[in-house]
Amino acid sequence: AQTVTQSQPEMSVQEAETVTLSCTYDTSESDYYLFWYKQPPSRQMILVIRQEAYKQQNATENRFSVNFQKAAKSFSLKISDSQLGDAAMYFCAWGAQKLVFGQGTRLTINP
Amino acid sequence: GAGVSQSPSNKVTEKGKDVELRCDPISGHTALYWYRQRLGQGLEFLIYFQGNSAPDKSGLPSDRFSAERTGESVSTLTIQRTQQEDSAVYLCASSPSWGMNTEAFFGQGTRLTVV
Repeated sequence: AQTVTQSQPEMSVQEAETVTLSCTYDTSESDYYLFWYKQPPSRQMILVIRQEAYKQQNATENRFSVNFQKAAKSFSLKISDSQLGDAAMYFCAWGAQKLVFGQGTRLTINP
Repeated sequence: GAGVSQSPSNKVTEKGKDVELRCDPISGHTALYWYRQRLGQGLEFLIYFQGNSAPDKSGLPSDRFSAERTGESVSTLTIQRTQQEDSAVYLCASSPSWGMNTEAFFGQGTRLTVV
């Protein structure tokens, strides 16, 4: 069975600084996708970034980038120039036919 | 509508009663997913539908849980004889096609409280 582990229940960072959220996963499949979702207090799940496992190049979306290490089954999210609006729960997810989520990391941005 | 719509937003029910939760996916989306999120936890897969194929029910926690979807339209998640442990937010998502090569769009969920 696929599992996703986020070892940091909570993280905090100063506004404008950089923070990295960790994620590891376990799967025997070779073709899959990895995702980071953001969940603010509104409960709305928002896709932050997606990585295709067959692509070696790390995905980037503006201030958000990932460090994808396929052999190590690691998929960390780096947020640069943190903003107050980045405060939320962040979920790492693995997907082939369905999404399997980690337990989440609560990110706090300190002004 | 423009997004995935779920109703009701909040539901309080007495232990032992049945509840129905509704999900209206984005028009044209063939895949539909249900997840459960307990307080402070991640999302737990329940079931997904893809077009007219047999649904993947592997995540349903007990036979008290069932879901239906007619074609590519509305889905209903039914919980029979609710228990306090069923209290959670139930999230629905839809995507344009099978598999994760396309983005899944989530609704805002139904918060179910069993008292």
